[in-house]
Amino acid sequence: EVQLVESGGGLVQPGMSLRLSCAASGFTFYDYAMHWVRQAPGKGLEWVSGISWNSGDIGYADSVKGRFTISRDNAKNSLYLQMNNLRAADTAFYFCAKDVTASPYYYMDVWGKGTTVAVSS
Amino acid sequence: EIVLTQSPGTLSLSPGERATLSCRASQSVSGSFLAWYQQKPGQAPRLLIYGASSRATGIPDRFSGSGSGTDFTLTISRLEPEDFAVYYCQQYGSSPRGTFGQGTNVEIK
Repeated sequence: EVQLVESGGGLVQPGMSLRLSCAASGFTFYDYAMHWVRQAPGKGLEWVSGISWNSGDIGYADSVKGRFTISRDNAKNSLYLQMNNLRAADTAFYFCAKDVTASPYYYMDVWGKGTTVAVSS
Repeated sequence: EIVLTQSPGTLSLSPGERATLSCRASQSVSGSFLAWYQQKPGQAPRLLIYGASSRATGIPDRFSGSGSGTDFTLTISRLEPEDFAVYYCQQYGSSPRGTFGQGTNVEIK
């Protein structure tokens, strides 16, 4: 069964850091690009970041550029999101999603259940 | 950056009725690179349509997508109880960023 399982969410104070992880199974992880998509409470979907199969092509939303870093470990079938200098506006449910190609340019056919990040003092 | 505007914001319909959802892009979406997702409360989004009109695996044929350029439509021919959800469109294919529309909530009338 194709599966993505996110972890690492939690409650942190503004300015602090958090690292999200996404464990993939049921497909050949290194063949596909991956994404992080978030959803603030009661709001719509916001693409956060995407990474190609070999980490050679990476993109970020303007709202997180310079603060968030996406990475992957193909040997561990895992995707990561290092989030630094967190703000209240980063409070959201964070989904890990699989692209349908090796490049992070397309749509997402598999999604994890998500993990919650809350930034508050 | 392409901006997607979905309308209406909320669609109130009864089971068995036809639902027509619109997604308009601020500039032409090349290659009809547009996808539709369904999201139910407390769940992850589910891919419905890609390439503007191709159904994803396992999606019932009551769901159909159409359009090109800047205007796209998702049609649900006869609403089933499980179809009441929020629907998002997404454009893709232009740099590593997949813009989403703000969503249309299809609710039971």
